[in-house]
Amino acid sequence: AQSVAQPEDQVNVAEGNPLTVKCTYSVSGNPYLFWYVQYPNRGLQFLLKYITGDNLVKGSYGFEAEFNKSQTSFHLKKPSALVSDSALYFCAVRAYSSASKIIFGSGTRLSIRP
Amino acid sequence: EAQVTQNPRYLITVTGKKLTVTCSQNMNHEYMSWYRQDPGLGLRQIYYSMNVEVTDKGDVPEGYKVSRKEKRNFPLILESPSPNQTSLYFCASTQWGSTDTQYFGPGTRLTVL
Repeated sequence: AQSVAQPEDQVNVAEGNPLTVKCTYSVSGNPYLFWYVQYPNRGLQFLLKYITGDNLVKGSYGFEAEFNKSQTSFHLKKPSALVSDSALYFCAVRAYSSASKIIFGSGTRLSIRP
Repeated sequence: EAQVTQNPRYLITVTGKKLTVTCSQNMNHEYMSWYRQDPGLGLRQIYYSMNVEVTDKGDVPEGYKVSRKEKRNFPLILESPSPNQTSLYFCASTQWGSTDTQYFGPGTRLTVL
């Protein structure tokens, strides 16, 4: 069965410091992996995805994520955090062989202090 | 502008009173889906549709119905709402293929008293 784990409910980082939001997954076969961001009172917005190829994926707003097959992880990173990065972040996975099933993690609230 | 719209955005109702939340997309996407978002549980899929007249259950379908008579519309129906269906609901659509990116609506906050 597919699953996604975001082990941290909340991550607190000072502005200007690097940030990491963790995600691990379990899926049969090759995964499609996604990160979405949700700002207050808004729907989810796509940040980046891993389908195949380079393990380091670059996305919107300066975010990037590294696919690590041996550790089944897809952590979201940014070298220098901004206060405007404060939001709720969701990791999601879909099995390559499944045309329908996308599983979302429980979400991590990122708080950037000035 | 490419978008997914939902109506209403906010709804307070009482137990047992049938309601429909509409969802419409203007991107000619084949795949549409409904999710509910609850604190600590993330997004859970309620129903999805691969195309017109093709729908299937997600992880939490109990108490919900959907229909897909047209490609652009995917309404969510609660025949007899109960308080445990109080939640934030999102509709999403995608062109299944190389991009796989889902586009989400703004959400509908439902309260069932």
